[in-house]
Amino acid sequence: NAGVTQTPKFQVLKTGQSMTLQCAQDMNHNSMYWYRQDPGMGLRLIYYSASEGTTDKGEVPNGYNVSRLNKREFSLRLESAAPSQTSVYFCASSDLPLGVLEQYFGPGTRLTVT
Amino acid sequence: EDQVTQSPEALRLQEGESSSLNCSYTVSGLRGLFWYRQDPGKGPEFLFTLYSAGEEKEKERLKATLTKKESFLHITAPKPEDSATYLCAVPYSSASKIIFGSGTRLSIRP
Repeated sequence: NAGVTQTPKFQVLKTGQSMTLQCAQDMNHNSMYWYRQDPGMGLRLIYYSASEGTTDKGEVPNGYNVSRLNKREFSLRLESAAPSQTSVYFCASSDLPLGVLEQYFGPGTRLTVT
Repeated sequence: EDQVTQSPEALRLQEGESSSLNCSYTVSGLRGLFWYRQDPGKGPEFLFTLYSAGEEKEKERLKATLTKKESFLHITAPKPEDSATYLCAVPYSSASKIIFGSGTRLSIRP
């Protein structure tokens, strides 16, 4: 039982490049989330998917898109990376939607945009 | 404005020296409060959920409590392996809003 997995673990992009961060969970959870974590700012919600087939914006969605591919997988896409998107990105999942139950987090993707 | 504030930012204790971490919040409709532990280079790990004022939860050397304005994470006789960043999070009445505090970095010296 791997829990929440994320790929890649590390990535360096140049400004303007695009990439997709992958996330998968094997806990049969309905809801999935993408966060970014920056020093001194805590975790901030980018997008979430309350259930398969739905996605909604969180606190900081600008510059990102998401796809809930199926119940297990939720991807985050940066279409044109900017230095301000340098951060650590965490995917999480929970059995019920936002804030009702605890979330389970993946190990993170460390992204640097130069 | 909805806010979650954790204090102190960093705390260094000697092994066995008990203390408390604070998470204060302003909210229009609290639906619960979560505590997580985060080790360096890893994702947060769930510890506790508290739903109403007066509620307490315990796990090994940790005890979390909740009032109408704040939550405390009490650490009793800590060990070096308790060193980590502790985060609290509060979901708000808005479905798209969950706010994490910036965390308290706890360091326990042997």
